[in-house]
Amino acid sequence: DAGITQSPRHKVTETGTPVTLRCHQTENHRYMYWYRQDPGHGLRLIHYSYGVKDTDKGEVSDGYSVSRSKTEDFLLTLESATSSQTSVYFCAISERGGVMNTEAFFGQGTRLTVV
Amino acid sequence: QKEVEQNSGPLSVPEGAIASLNCTYSDRGSQSFFWYRQYSGKSPELIMFIYSNGDKEDGRFTAQLNKASQYVSLLIRDSQPSDSATYLCAVKVSGSYIPTFGRGTSLIVHP
Repeated sequence: DAGITQSPRHKVTETGTPVTLRCHQTENHRYMYWYRQDPGHGLRLIHYSYGVKDTDKGEVSDGYSVSRSKTEDFLLTLESATSSQTSVYFCAISERGGVMNTEAFFGQGTRLTVV
Repeated sequence: QKEVEQNSGPLSVPEGAIASLNCTYSDRGSQSFFWYRQYSGKSPELIMFIYSNGDKEDGRFTAQLNKASQYVSLLIRDSQPSDSATYLCAVKVSGSYIPTFGRGTSLIVHP
């Protein structure tokens, strides 16, 4: 199994508070992604990173920010949590950006509830 | 907008039958195709990938790619109750390293 660890695994937080989720990898993969998964919507990309300090927005980035100061860590921050951000968050990594060997591997997920 | 479409199901098949899962995509520049299995409450797990037109077999699983018709399918032979899960199709467009996922098809294999 790919070495990806997400923390925390579960979190309940109050509306309006900031929340940071952490993704840590031991594979030295260049690319890292944050997805959220909701019933009826599947996996939707929030932000991604293609190297240290190189990040960009995905399709549902509003209300989220990310940082990658080291190859192994990719942080997702909810600046002011809202109930619509209650979801399961998955971190994923992949090694290459071309056609071959580009499969993504997922962490265990973080279940976030905003009350 | 790049889209990946899957029938949400559930697809119900008897044990021992062939389960056929389908995925269509909108971007003709797509070059990499992946099938993930996700058990309830777990993370997606890669089971197959395919890059070239035709069939690719791995044990009981066969991925089929038809770029002209813009679909990719997954066949599961001799289906087992342990195959019951949601199957996610993912596609990468040429020049992009970001996988786009379909919403998944729920498969139920009943004894």
